[in-house]
Amino acid sequence: DQQVKQNSPSLSVQEGRISILNCDYTNSMFDYFLWYKKYPAEGPTFLISISSIKDKNEDGRFTVFLNKSAKHLSLHIVPSQPGDSAVYFCAASDSGTYKYIFGTGTRLKVLA
Amino acid sequence: DVKVTQSSRYLVKRTGEKVFLECVQDMDHENMFWYRQDPGLGLRLIYFSYDVKMKEKGDIPEGYSVSREKKERFSLILESASTNQTSMYLCASSFPGLAGGYEQYFGPGTRLTVT
Repeated sequence: DQQVKQNSPSLSVQEGRISILNCDYTNSMFDYFLWYKKYPAEGPTFLISISSIKDKNEDGRFTVFLNKSAKHLSLHIVPSQPGDSAVYFCAASDSGTYKYIFGTGTRLKVLA
Repeated sequence: DVKVTQSSRYLVKRTGEKVFLECVQDMDHENMFWYRQDPGLGLRLIYFSYDVKMKEKGDIPEGYSVSREKKERFSLILESASTNQTSMYLCASSFPGLAGGYEQYFGPGTRLTVT
């Protein structure tokens, strides 16, 4: 049973526009969420996180929104740049455990 | 900067061989993890360790074992490699304690092909 879902395997966006990547989860015990970016042949790199006590967190061009009632989070990238083209993973954790559950990833392509 | 290194970037092994994948981190992290990444399946946790000589099974431990003799080093062992273990293997580490509030830092990955 996939507890963390990224239902869009891929997304294409024009340079300069907004990219919105979505993530849904089923476990109401999850209370900490991360987004990672992964280039081919490299390990994932941490982008941004959000705790369940917040509904928004910003870091430069990246903003994560959390809707706890809908069990949904989204990553907004504004403005999108060609260098943002990568696979994006969301991950969720129940802070009572050591581990994160990762989604299946969304491949973002930013077109110049 | 946290650095997580993995012993090989690319590895080709034959079915039935014993395979060792090594991971070293330089940030004195207590927690270390092994994942595999497959298309359409995302990252799946194989094993993790929250202290030296301590290990816990993740979601897909079958066919794998691990060793953590020193804090900075976490090894993944495929006792008898099979073709369905062809994958990208990723090691990660994190600060001590439970997951909430701590991101994981990943190595560059090892692309293992079993023929």
